[in-house]
Amino acid sequence: EVQLVESGGGLIQPGGSLRLSCVASGFTVSNNYMSWVRQAPGKGLEWVSIIYSGGSTYYADSVKGRFTISRDNSKNTLYLQMNSLRVEDTAVYYCAKDVFAGSWGQGTLVTVSS
Amino acid sequence: QLVLTQSPSASASLGASVKLTCTLTSGHSSYAIAWHQQQPEKGPRYLMRYNSDGSHTKGDGIPDRFSGSSSGAERYLIISTLQSEDEADYYCQTWGTGIQVFGGGTKVTVL
Repeated sequence: EVQLVESGGGLIQPGGSLRLSCVASGFTVSNNYMSWVRQAPGKGLEWVSIIYSGGSTYYADSVKGRFTISRDNSKNTLYLQMNSLRVEDTAVYYCAKDVFAGSWGQGTLVTVSS
Repeated sequence: QLVLTQSPSASASLGASVKLTCTLTSGHSSYAIAWHQQQPEKGPRYLMRYNSDGSHTKGDGIPDRFSGSSSGAERYLIISTLQSEDEADYYCQTWGTGIQVFGGGTKVTVL
């Protein structure tokens, strides 16, 4: 059974950094396309970043240059390093498997506030 | 630019059917899409992937009441025999090289 479990969210001041983790089970992260998607309070889903099985990475314009997606094959874990955080980055962050998001985690809340 | 457009809301009576529309931007009418359901206070749930040739792949445990169709640049999610638990937000999603796009979502109310 495919499972995705995110962690690492919390309250952080503007300008700060956080690293989100997504531990996968039931499949191999490195063999799949993996994404991060976020949802601001009361808003819709917004794609953040994707890493392809071959290792290519892509980002939404809103986070380019500030966020970095990566994976640790030995831990079967996906990461999102978030730097220079802004108030508008406040959201629940989900990891998802496959380019069509065939499986979702439960999400982790990131609150950026002073 | 790859954009998906959804109506903000839809409603139908318990036991009736509702048809949700997701429109791809011009030039992208052959793209596959996925549909996701988000019930109140819950995370998204994958419903199905729908390809422009009509083939589709449903998620595990998704009832037969949920089906997809298309016409040109429009993709449809049809929910038959509406149940109370179908009251949720529904998002369409598509993708290209180096990009993923979500529609704004449609809130379905079961009357």
